[in-house]
Amino acid sequence: GNSVTQMEGPVTLSEEAFLTINCTYTATGYPSLFWYVQYPGEGLQLLLKATKADDKGSNKGFEATYRKETTSFHLEKGSVQVSDSAVYFCALSDPTGGFKTIFGAGTRLFVKA
Amino acid sequence: DAGVIQSPRHEVTEMGQEVTLRCKPISGHDYLFWYRQTMMRGLELLIYFNNNVPIDDSGMPEDRFSAKMPNASFSTLKIQPSEPRDSAVYFCASSTERSTDTQYFGPGTRLTVL
Repeated sequence: GNSVTQMEGPVTLSEEAFLTINCTYTATGYPSLFWYVQYPGEGLQLLLKATKADDKGSNKGFEATYRKETTSFHLEKGSVQVSDSAVYFCALSDPTGGFKTIFGAGTRLFVKA
Repeated sequence: DAGVIQSPRHEVTEMGQEVTLRCKPISGHDYLFWYRQTMMRGLELLIYFNNNVPIDDSGMPEDRFSAKMPNASFSTLKIQPSEPRDSAVYFCASSTERSTDTQYFGPGTRLTVL
């Protein structure tokens, strides 16, 4: 079946540090891949997405590249800010899975000033 | 445009009581999802609807949980009777009919069962 595995948190960084959150997936078809972010007390919101192999999604300085050969979709940001502190979820949507989105467990990021 | 609307935002009830959570999806969205989020189990899909019809309810934990979608603009998730282990944040999300499309989440209902 389809699944998403992402690195466990929490991840604690200083402001302006480089961020990587690893995500790998298993899918039977050709999924779309997503990163969602959840700020305290709020619902999840889309951060970026990629719909086919080698696509790069980007938003707010974050980016992730759809790597079919390694079944990965790692999230990166060159210089994090305190306001980036949140929980980040990797997710996939596979049409053979009936339009359900499968979410990873989430990775909590703390950024210190 | 209003996003997904959920009510109430917070609910505190006693064990054994009936709880009803409400959701209004974004207009024009064909899919509606109910999720539960806890520290121990993370984000779990409970049930989803397509064009008001339940498609997959395999995530509903037990018969105490039920969900309905009487029309395209309203859905309810009911727990009867409620138990302390049902305490969680319940999210509703909606999307259009393509797997490449984003799910839009509501702000959630924080349920506490005493």
